[in-house]
Amino acid sequence: EAGVAQSPRYKIIEKRQSVAFWCNPISGHATLYWYQQILGQGPKLLIQFQNNGVVDDSQLPKDRFSAERLKGVDSTLKIQPAKLEDSAVYLCASSWGSGGETQYFGPGTRLLVL
Amino acid sequence: GIQVEQSPPDLILQEGANSTLRCNFSDSVNNLQWFHQNPWGQLINLFYIPSGTKQNGRLSSTTVATERYSLLYISSSQTTDSGVYFCAADTGGFKTIFGAGTRLFVKA
Repeated sequence: EAGVAQSPRYKIIEKRQSVAFWCNPISGHATLYWYQQILGQGPKLLIQFQNNGVVDDSQLPKDRFSAERLKGVDSTLKIQPAKLEDSAVYLCASSWGSGGETQYFGPGTRLLVL
Repeated sequence: GIQVEQSPPDLILQEGANSTLRCNFSDSVNNLQWFHQNPWGQLINLFYIPSGTKQNGRLSSTTVATERYSLLYISSSQTTDSGVYFCAADTGGFKTIFGAGTRLFVKA
């Protein structure tokens, strides 16, 4: 069974530019999560989808971050415009049910904003 | 919201030693998970354990939900156990909160 796929693996941009990350969850998993992990900290949940609906986005900075999960499968997370403090690893995870099950993580996208 | 605290923050072990990592949470939880983040950054789930005890090889975990804590036991540690161990909890199937992690280094 293929794991959670993410791309790109690394991205370097300048502040005020925009960037997008892509995630393909494990086949059949209904719930998809995006996390932000700043160096030295635990992951912070940004947004959780169940199928193509948003379950929770209370910690998503909506003035600059957006995410979508069209057709309830893969997902994109966008930052526009990026700030220096957005430098972090962006992790995607999925779980099979409606949330609250074991989460399986992708390798992450490392973003550096200069 | 729920608060998740882990201890100790850092741990150095000699290969072969045993250790116990602790996770305290501030409210009743629906779900409690333990993860290992390896030096390359990959998060691997170790246990899904909202209550009770589970074992997987040299690792075991116990969650006492009524007292709001969970323990991760590592026995006969190996250098490959190095990395960061996180616990994560949620109260209703969403709003997963991670602790700050325990950074483990196992010396050969």
